Amino acid sequence: GAVVSQHPSRVICKSGTSVKIECRSLDFQATTMFWYRQFPKQSLMLMATSNEGSKATYEQGVEKDKFLINHASLTLSTLTVTSAHPEDSSFYICSAKEAPQETQYFGPGTRLLVL
Amino acid sequence: GQNIDQPTEMTATEGAIVQINCTYQTSGFNGLFWYQQHAGEAPTFLSYNVLDGLEEKGRFSSFLSRSKGYSYLLLKELQMKDSASYLCASLEDQTGANNLFFGTGTRLTVIP
Repeated sequence: GAVVSQHPSRVICKSGTSVKIECRSLDFQATTMFWYRQFPKQSLMLMATSNEGSKATYEQGVEKDKFLINHASLTLSTLTVTSAHPEDSSFYICSAKEAPQETQYFGPGTRLLVL
Repeated sequence: GQNIDQPTEMTATEGAIVQINCTYQTSGFNGLFWYQQHAGEAPTFLSYNVLDGLEEKGRFSSFLSRSKGYSYLLLKELQMKDSASYLCASLEDQTGANNLFFGTGTRLTVIP
């Protein structure tokens, strides 16, 4: 149980385009989903938290207009990187938890390369 | 804020025992997680400690001391597949929401 999928696993795009990443909880209801970013040899940095049906809460320094998050259902959250630039190239990982439990289960990650 | 420290790298021999330490200084602390992450993959859950003490789960055990801001992950009977990064993460209450904050991870290499 507690499986989280993420799609796509890898994406290459041109600078200035937008990329959408999907995160799904397959066998539980994700009351809260999280989006992280991880640069090479660095730790996971929390970008934002979203509760189903609510606006996402962004961490300091993360532009909400650039990283659009939608959590429209209890099993799906999407992250859209708008007008992507090379510095946005990173490993994006989502996680999900089902209240009242605190354990977060992670998706397999999406490697984004912006040319 | 949060300040989580763990060693950057460790090496241990197959079949041996290794202890990975983690110290933290945080506000609104609600527990300590350990995750395993193989290169290029997402983290997988290992343990969650809320109360002081040792919790054992097969070859892996995790310890927490809230008063000392200290935790460790103990891996027994090391196998080659245990080579991975081990992430210490504190669960913190931020304005009513619990979020995870990760250390930089300890890269463990298991040698024959």
